[in-house]
Amino acid sequence: AQTVTQSQPEMSVQEAETVTLSCTYDTSENNYYLFWYKQPPSRQMILVIRQEAYKQQNATENRFSVNFQKAAKSFSLKISDSQLGDTAMYFCAFMGDDKIIFGKGTRLHILP
Amino acid sequence: DGGITQSPKYLFRKEGQNVTLSCEQNLNHDAMYWYRQDPGQGLRLIYYSQIVNDFQKGDIAEGYSVSREKKESFPLTVTSAQKNPTAFYLCASSTTGTGGRGYTFGSGTRLTVV
Repeated sequence: AQTVTQSQPEMSVQEAETVTLSCTYDTSENNYYLFWYKQPPSRQMILVIRQEAYKQQNATENRFSVNFQKAAKSFSLKISDSQLGDTAMYFCAFMGDDKIIFGKGTRLHILP
Repeated sequence: DGGITQSPKYLFRKEGQNVTLSCEQNLNHDAMYWYRQDPGQGLRLIYYSQIVNDFQKGDIAEGYSVSREKKESFPLTVTSAQKNPTAFYLCASSTTGTGGRGYTFGSGTRLTVV
C-alpha cells in the first residue's frame, strides 16, 4: 500500500523568506502523480502544484516549486518570497491508480 | 460556474441518529470521493465512486454508507454505528483516465455530535 509521510508537523518563517516542506512516499508503482495541496484557515482545499512521475523536470508554479527525487521517493515543496497569505496547512499527496493518498500535513505560519 | 457543493456547512447530530451529508457537482466528473479530516490525521478516505451505481470502501468505511444514483450526486450517511463522528468532512470529484489532474474539493461539512 502507498504511504505519504510529512515529517514536519509545524513550521514558522518570516515573511519574504524561502521555506521548504518535506515529503516522502512509498510505492511500488512506476507511473503516478504527486501533489501539494494548501488548506488555509477557510479550510478550502487548493491545489498548489502537480508533478507527473514520468517527467524528470521539476514542476514550478510562480513562487512554488518542487524538488522531485524519484529514486529517493522524495517530493519537497519550496515556497519563495513567502507571503502572509501562504499561512496554511499543506498536504503532500500521491495518486496511483484511482485515488489520492494524503500525508498528515505541515502547518505553516508566515510571520510578519 | 462549475463546482462542487457540500451542504450543510455545519451539522449537529444527537447520539444514535443517522445524518446525511450532501455533495453535488456540475463538473461532469465521473469520480467522487469522501474524506474525513481530524486534527493531526490528514485526510482519510471513507468511500469513493468512479461510476454511477458503483462505489468502493476506503480506509475508514465502517459506520458510513453512500449511494451514487446520479453522476452529479454522492451523499454520505453517517450512521449510529460510527462511534466518533465529530470531524470535518470533505467531498471531492475528478475526471478519470486523464492522467491525474487531482481533485476539485467542496468547502466541507463540519459534523458535531451533541
